[in-house]
Amino acid sequence: NAGVMQNPRHLVRRRGQEARLRCSPMKGHSHVYWYRQLPEEGLKFMVYLQKENIIDESGMPKERFSAEFPKEGPSILRIQQVVRGDSAAYFCASSPTPNTGELFFGEGSRLTVL
Amino acid sequence: QQQVKQSPQSLIVQKGGISIINCAYENTAFDYFPWYQQFPGKGPALLIAIRPDVSEKKEGRFTISFNKSAKQFSLHIMDSQPGDSATYFCAASRGSNYKLTFGKGTLLTVNP
Repeated sequence: NAGVMQNPRHLVRRRGQEARLRCSPMKGHSHVYWYRQLPEEGLKFMVYLQKENIIDESGMPKERFSAEFPKEGPSILRIQQVVRGDSAAYFCASSPTPNTGELFFGEGSRLTVL
Repeated sequence: QQQVKQSPQSLIVQKGGISIINCAYENTAFDYFPWYQQFPGKGPALLIAIRPDVSEKKEGRFTISFNKSAKQFSLHIMDSQPGDSATYFCAASRGSNYKLTFGKGTLLTVNP
């Protein structure tokens, strides 16, 4: 399966803990995007990364959230000191180019904060 | 705040019927309008997309109608099938295809 792979699919954290979500893009794709879907809401753009670079983080909350896409390995979305409002589905997408064509989404990581 | 407003929130259609989902946007700079289909537990998948230089685009049973002056676009699903039951999201972006502003989604149920 050459699709976008996300893990874990489900993650439960207590308030104050850290959450790390991982995303491996489709083979040959070097552009990765993170979106968040709150309950009863549409997806909201968070960040766009290329290998080792953050291109657009205009949708990222100012505190506690960070993202990286290292030269080797998956992209990681990190949420520090989670709060209940962070409970959501986090989707990763990838594309071969940033400005044309389709975004390919993974199946998402569903974070529950107790 | 840039918004895309989608309606209805939910829709029930009989097999063989036409499903119509509408979206309205505010930002006239938007130049890319995709529709995504999402099944439970899965990620969204691109269904069909349109740019504002055309008023209609058809792919199989799926058609996007686009009204630039009214700032509205809609998805029509002809001959709806139970397998079409899913959540449909409209979206819009400006200058790129990645920074999408999504509607809140429409849960479509097609009864057999």
